[in-house]
Amino acid sequence: DAKTTQPPSMDCAEGRAANLPCNHSTISGNEYVYWYRQIHSQGPQYIIHGLKNNETNDMASLIITEDRKSSTLILPHATLRDTAVYYCIVRVRGGGYQKVTFGTGTKLQVIP
Amino acid sequence: GAVVSQHPSRVICKSGTSVKIECRSLDFQATTMFWYRQFPKQSLMLMATSNEGSKATYEQGVEKDKFLINHASLTLSTLTVTSAHPEDSSFYICSVYNLGQSTDTQYFGPGTRLTVL
Repeated sequence: DAKTTQPPSMDCAEGRAANLPCNHSTISGNEYVYWYRQIHSQGPQYIIHGLKNNETNDMASLIITEDRKSSTLILPHATLRDTAVYYCIVRVRGGGYQKVTFGTGTKLQVIP
Repeated sequence: GAVVSQHPSRVICKSGTSVKIECRSLDFQATTMFWYRQFPKQSLMLMATSNEGSKATYEQGVEKDKFLINHASLTLSTLTVTSAHPEDSSFYICSVYNLGQSTDTQYFGPGTRLTVL
């Protein structure tokens, strides 16, 4: 899997948008960007994924730059329950499972 | 998505004893399950890939004889920490891979906190 780099921590005011960046400058053409989050003492939770187009679901939006070397996860209205470590991963999709390597992620602290 | 459960959620044991952790896929049949370990303030580290009906594949540096994995059915994988020592204290997380889902991703269990005294 291509490596990703994320800031170690970020703060966000409750109710505001949280924008979490991820750099994946060595991403291959067939690799997708996946985001997970891990709330303290829980297992990781899948959030969203994308290839090159922007994606949105009930949880978040994913903005991928045109050159695909970076992406941003957007939580439009952060709540205290969004406080967690967010992991950005790139991997090939389909054709069976490929091993996923988790980096250190970004610890998002939502402040009241 | 997929619903994954783990049992127990936390366990405390004495050094030298063995501990079994169960991982269940509740709503689909999982041919592949994964076991991760997470030390405090660190990221998840893949320990092994568990395939139903065959031997598990262990990551480099993970002792096969210490961390016994059994994936005897399509809904259950177990991880047994044998002769546990305090350095084995960690958060153990399983996940399942659901190829049939459009997301093509892993779904994780809630984790098991192991404390070895």
